Amino acid sequence: NAGVTQTPKFQVLKTGQSMTLQCAQDMNHEYMSWYRQDPGMGLRLIHYSVGAGITDQGEVPNGYNVSRSTTEDFPLRLLSAAPSQTSVYFCASSSSGTGETQYFGPGTRLLVL
Amino acid sequence: LAKTTQPISMDSYEGQEVNITCSHNNIATNDYITWYQQFPSQGPRFIIQGYKTKVTNEVASLFIPADRKSSTLSLPRVSLSDTAVYYCLVAGLVFTGGGNKLTFGTGTQLKVEL
Repeated sequence: NAGVTQTPKFQVLKTGQSMTLQCAQDMNHEYMSWYRQDPGMGLRLIHYSVGAGITDQGEVPNGYNVSRSTTEDFPLRLLSAAPSQTSVYFCASSSSGTGETQYFGPGTRLLVL
Repeated sequence: LAKTTQPISMDSYEGQEVNITCSHNNIATNDYITWYQQFPSQGPRFIIQGYKTKVTNEVASLFIPADRKSSTLSLPRVSLSDTAVYYCLVAGLVFTGGGNKLTFGTGTQLKVEL
């Protein structure tokens, strides 16, 4: 099993550009989530999904969109990138609820100029 | 969602036992306590999980008193490679919707020196 994979590893964007961060898992997990981590801070929940077709907002959802058309994939879209979105983004999955062991991807480092 | 409080940082030396305590006064009956470890430029990694009393695995021990309002992660004989950020999380195992969202605090930065 590859676990949780994320692409790209690193990306530079200009303000106003859009992009999609990809996340995929091969563990047949129902629960997936996106976090952002800023320097010296913990992880903050952006959006999460409890199954295909079901998504909800986390702590810092503004500026981000998600969809969950399959169990395996949970892409995160930035519609109009802003410098404040410069961060490291982690995707995670678990078999059921939020307290279950979360498996994290390697992260995507995003720089918005 | 139960809020957690941990020390911001801790220092130790190789070979010592390190205990990191987390306070979670508002823990709910169905909440479990989970600890994660994060190295720089990596995603967090599961260390240990428990509900009450003591849990031990090959990496750490978790002590939870009867009132469950706190928990202590114990790392025996730490080495330089244990330098990382440690997060304490409290949440139910089954998603119940609404506020049951897993959130991380700032964690405890453990620094191990020679």
